[in-house]
Amino acid sequence: DTAVSQTPKYLVTQMGNDKSIKCEQNLGHDTMYWYKQDSKKFLKIMFSYNNKELIINETVPNRFSPKSPDKAHLNLHINSLELGDSAVYFCASSHGLALADTQYFGPGTRLTVL
Amino acid sequence: DQQVKQNSPSLSVQEGRISILNCDYTNSMFDYFLWYKKYPAEGPTFLISISSIKDKNEDGRFTVFLNKSAKHLSLHIVPSQPGDSAVYFCAASGGDYKLSFGAGTTVTVRA
Repeated sequence: DTAVSQTPKYLVTQMGNDKSIKCEQNLGHDTMYWYKQDSKKFLKIMFSYNNKELIINETVPNRFSPKSPDKAHLNLHINSLELGDSAVYFCASSHGLALADTQYFGPGTRLTVL
Repeated sequence: DQQVKQNSPSLSVQEGRISILNCDYTNSMFDYFLWYKKYPAEGPTFLISISSIKDKNEDGRFTVFLNKSAKHLSLHIVPSQPGDSAVYFCAASGGDYKLSFGAGTTVTVRA
């Protein structure tokens, strides 16, 4: 029974398209995150939501818009995709925002923009 | 500017021996440090953590050491097992709810 799931696992699309990645957690956590792992393998925080409220919004282009319909879901919508958006995107969740609250990661979505 | 650095992209170790992974950080505000392990096609999984009030934390075969003055931490795996072959990420947080990750070290345990 997957704790944090993401769909799709792979996404190949053309430049300029709009796409969404879905994330769901069944851990009962209050906090969810989106990370981007770039070509240099660094995992960088993009967004964080706590109880459906935006907590962290890093310097991400406004083409990226997270949406949290409820505490168990945090979807990522990307408009006007660019080549540089190609990366692996990881969703994660944690009980809360405390440092000791372990973050549980999904399996990742590999996005390729052609 | 990367605030967490793992300068060794890879490490090969014989089964049964010790694996030592190193991590350096630049932000003096970091006060909580974690190691994550990642297998191919999976997300990172939490391994072990340490607060800045400690200099060592042990969990089974895994021990993390923190040297605050040197802004350095290390992960020791003893003894190394084939299942330990994975990418290990060092991460740090300074209380702003954000984790900063290093680029990872790929560990290969040879039989």
